[in-house]
Amino acid sequence: QKEVEQNSGPLSVPEGAIASLNCTYSDRVSQSFFWYRQYSGKSPELIMSIYSNGDKEDGRFTAQLNKASQYVSLLIRDSQPSDSATYLCAVNIGNYGQNFVFGPGTRLSVLP
Amino acid sequence: DVKVTQSSRYLVKRTGEKVFLECVQDMDHENMFWYRQDPGLGLRLIYFSYDVKMKEKGDIPEGYSVSREKKERFSLILESASTNQTSMYLCASSPSSGGPLFGPGTRLTVL
Repeated sequence: QKEVEQNSGPLSVPEGAIASLNCTYSDRVSQSFFWYRQYSGKSPELIMSIYSNGDKEDGRFTAQLNKASQYVSLLIRDSQPSDSATYLCAVNIGNYGQNFVFGPGTRLSVLP
Repeated sequence: DVKVTQSSRYLVKRTGEKVFLECVQDMDHENMFWYRQDPGLGLRLIYFSYDVKMKEKGDIPEGYSVSREKKERFSLILESASTNQTSMYLCASSPSSGGPLFGPGTRLTVL
């Protein structure tokens, strides 16, 4: 059973702080990793993709990947109330080229 | 604006009815997916397709079937709807590399 786990929430941070979201996965051959943001009642929105070890930055978001530790994280700098959402981690296990397993999500609340 | 569209945002059906959920993408993606999302259970893959007329079972295919006659369209069929199929259904598509992009979802209620 290929699994993706995320730190349990909800996670609350004050406005302007750094929010840190974590994800671990069990499939060692996974090669691509994704973070999604999902507002209540809406569908998931892709916000970050990462394919190689290290950091990838996009605006206030930084994704970090460590394949040896089977760990991927998302940092949100200068958190805003509009960042309050559930964040989903997804891993491509690639059995047929593209097969994605999603984590259960972490709910983030940014307090004004 | 490239996107994935789904035929209905809200749908109410009765037990035993045959239900069709349609999904269309305009990004020329090879891969298409159907998920359902339920509170506490997360996103679960029902079926996916990596090419026209090709389909693969996901984690929870029982009670569902799919059809992909054209590259841009992927349909989910509930042969005989049951109350435990009340859920949010999410269609997604992805290119050969890259994460899936989701449609707006269809909230299906089976009475």
